[in-house]
Amino acid sequence: SQKIEQNSEALNIQEGKTATLTCNYTNYSPAYLQWYRQDPGRGPVFLLLIRENEKEKRKERLKVTFDTTLKQSLFHITASQPADSATYLCALSTGGGNKLTFGTGTQLKVEL
Amino acid sequence: DAGVIQSPRHEVTEMGQEVTLRCKPISGHDYLFWYRQTMMRGLELLIYFNNNVPIDDSGMPEDRFSAKMPNASFSTLKIQPSEPRDSAVYFCASSLRGGSGNTIYFGEGSWLTVV
Repeated sequence: SQKIEQNSEALNIQEGKTATLTCNYTNYSPAYLQWYRQDPGRGPVFLLLIRENEKEKRKERLKVTFDTTLKQSLFHITASQPADSATYLCALSTGGGNKLTFGTGTQLKVEL
Repeated sequence: DAGVIQSPRHEVTEMGQEVTLRCKPISGHDYLFWYRQTMMRGLELLIYFNNNVPIDDSGMPEDRFSAKMPNASFSTLKIQPSEPRDSAVYFCASSLRGGSGNTIYFGEGSWLTVV
């Protein structure tokens, strides 16, 4: 069966450290993978998109990698800040490319 | 731009009642998506439209759910009759083109509680 797995347990890290979140998938061959941030009581907000032929994408303190052999994406936040605390969702293109299927998300807490 | 606008933000209703959720997508966006989010199942795609036409409704849980998009600036998701297991956050989202390679913009959600 098709699965998108993200760590269900919250990730707690200290301010200034690098946070690394994992997204693993099975039985998908996505052309794109996206990462979203969701704050409590709000809708998800787009952060980054990476294509299947790209290995890495950066945006300010964010970095995403995409390994189609391992079927895994890693999402890094460097020099993390308490304001980075949120739930982070990965999403894969599915169903012919017009649909995005989301993982269940990982909650990140950055502590002072 | 005002973003995707959803109403109501919160609704509490009794089992068996009809619920109508409303959405105004971002102007000019060709795609509109309805998602449902629960703790157990995460964010699930219910249905999406392209140029007001329903393309894929395979995520709609059952016949009690229906969605319409009468014009480019308005969509509804209706649940009739509602059941307690329908309690969730319902998100409407839109994108300029096909969802996977393009950014999807979400509304703030409609929090539905069925008692």
